[in-house]
Amino acid sequence: GDSVTQMEGPVTLSEEAFLTINCTYTATGYPSLFWYVQYPGEGLQLLLKATKADDKGSNKGFEATYRKETTSFHLEKGSVQVSDSAVYFCASRGFQKLVFGTGTRLLVSP
Amino acid sequence: GAVVSQHPSRVICKSGTSVKIECRSLDFQATTMFWYRQFPKQSLMLMATSNEGSKATYEQGVEKDKFLINHASLTLSTLTVTSAHPEDSSFYICSGGRLQETQYFGPGTRLLVL
Repeated sequence: GDSVTQMEGPVTLSEEAFLTINCTYTATGYPSLFWYVQYPGEGLQLLLKATKADDKGSNKGFEATYRKETTSFHLEKGSVQVSDSAVYFCASRGFQKLVFGTGTRLLVSP
Repeated sequence: GAVVSQHPSRVICKSGTSVKIECRSLDFQATTMFWYRQFPKQSLMLMATSNEGSKATYEQGVEKDKFLINHASLTLSTLTVTSAHPEDSSFYICSGGRLQETQYFGPGTRLLVL
């Protein structure tokens, strides 16, 4: 079945550092891809998405590009802030169901 | 954005009792709602998909008689954990939306069964 693999955390960075969180997927067909963020004590929020190959999703300075050839959807941000500290989930969706990765905790220190 | 609420946010119960968790879409109509379970440091595992007015579809390995799901209206779905046991302790999350559209997630309910 479909699956999503993302790097284990925690990822610890200083403020203004560059962020990459790797995500790869396996799927039949061409799924839509998502990054969700979960701040402490809150539910998952959609951060960005891409629905077809070479699409780039972006939001709040975060970006991810749908790479069909490498089946990847890596999350990047050029300069992280303390407020970006959260757990980030990569997910894919085929027909209906979302399949999540295990989540990566990001800790940003001042 | 759309808001989904869950109630309660946290519940402690005795082994053998039943617990009901509510999931409400506050400002939109959710034709489809999903229930997930999240173990510590693990991913969200889909338990079941429910469409308003019809029976829920359960994922393989999820006991439908133990985890009763009702989606009686376009804004409310409930998950009842029947005869709860300590191994049912977990974080339960719901989401709502329309098929093939963005899903909006609730904040989750932490269940502890003693």
